[in-house]
This record gives sequence, C-alpha cells and structure tokens, in this order.
Amino acid sequence: AQSVAQPEDQVNVAEGNPLTVKCTYSVSGNPYLFWYVQYPNRGLQFLLKYITGDNLVKGSYGFEAEFNKSQTSFHLKKPSALVSDSALYFCAVREGGYSTLTFGKGTMLLVSP
Amino acid sequence: DVKVTQSSRYLVKRTGEKVFLECVQDMDHENMFWYRQDPGLGLRLIYFSYDVKMKEKGDIPEGYSVSREKKERFSLILESASTNQTSMYLCASRSPRGYEQYFGPGTRLTVT
Repeated sequence: AQSVAQPEDQVNVAEGNPLTVKCTYSVSGNPYLFWYVQYPNRGLQFLLKYITGDNLVKGSYGFEAEFNKSQTSFHLKKPSALVSDSALYFCAVREGGYSTLTFGKGTMLLVSP
Repeated sequence: DVKVTQSSRYLVKRTGEKVFLECVQDMDHENMFWYRQDPGLGLRLIYFSYDVKMKEKGDIPEGYSVSREKKERFSLILESASTNQTSMYLCASRSPRGYEQYFGPGTRLTVT
C-alpha cells in the first residue's frame, strides 16, 4: 500500500527567507511524487512532480523539490518566500501501475511580512 | 489548459435529501476522481472512474454512489444526505498517459 506523511501541520517563515515543507512516502515500487497547493476556498493546483531522472525538480512559482530515495523524502523548497505563498500544501504519491493518488494531510504555510 | 468545472461552489441541503454533485472536464480524459477534504484528514478518495460506465470504489465509498454516462461528466450522488457528509468535495481528471491530476474548484456542501 502507498502512503505519504507530512509531519508538520504548519510552517511559519518570514518573507525573504528560504522555506521547506516536508514530505515522506512509502511505496513498494517506484514512486511518482507530486506537490499541490490550495488557496482558500479553491481547488488544488499542481506545482510539480517527480517521475524519474534528476532528483531536483523545478516547478511553478519558483518552487522546487528534491527526491531522496534513501530517505524516502520529497521535500518542497523555495529559496525566498513571499507572503503570497501562504497556502495549504499537499504532497501526494502514486505507485507505478496504480491510477490513484494518496495524499498527505496537508501543511499550512504562513509567510509573515 | 485543462479545465475541470463543478456545478456549485456552495450547497446547503437538509438531512435525508438526495444530492447530486456534477463535474465536467474538457480534455477528453478517461480517468476521473471524486475526493472529500476535511481539516486534518487531507483528501480522501471516494470513487473513481476509468471510462464511461466504469467505476471503482475508493477509500471511503459508504453513503455515496457515482454515475459516468458521458466521458466528460462524472457525478457524485448522496442518496440520503447526513450531517457527517458536510465537507468540501473535489473532482479531478487525468489522462491515462499523464501523471498529474487536474482539480476543479470544489463544492462546499453543508448538510443541516
């Protein structure tokens, strides 16, 4: 069975500082990994994905994520946070051969001015 | 760009009513999904569909059913709404050859 954990309910960071939102996963085969963002009262927007290849993946709005197979992690990062990055972030995993995604519980990112 | 639309942004229904939530996608995707989102629980899969008239149960199908008569439309049905079905409902679609899912704006359903 596939599963994903986001260990932090909330992450607080000051504008201009780097941010990290953590995600770890568990699958029995090769993982496909995703990050989504949700703004208040909106649906989820796709940020980036890891399927294969380079462990550092770049996505929308200046976000990137690093796939670490030995630590089974896929942390979301941004070098310099913006107040407008404040939102709810979801990590998701899909095992190769399956169609369904399993989502983490979400991490609220709050960027203060 | 993929567009996924949902029939209502906000919906208020009474206990025992039959509720229909509609989802339409415009990218000819075979795969469609219904989730519910609750604080602290993340997204949980209710049902999904591989193609027209095909459906599969997700993690929490109890109290729900679905209908997929046309490729672009996937409906979620609450046969007899209950207060514990008050939630945000999200629809998504995906191409079988693609990887990411594309989400609609969500329907916030309140059952009183």
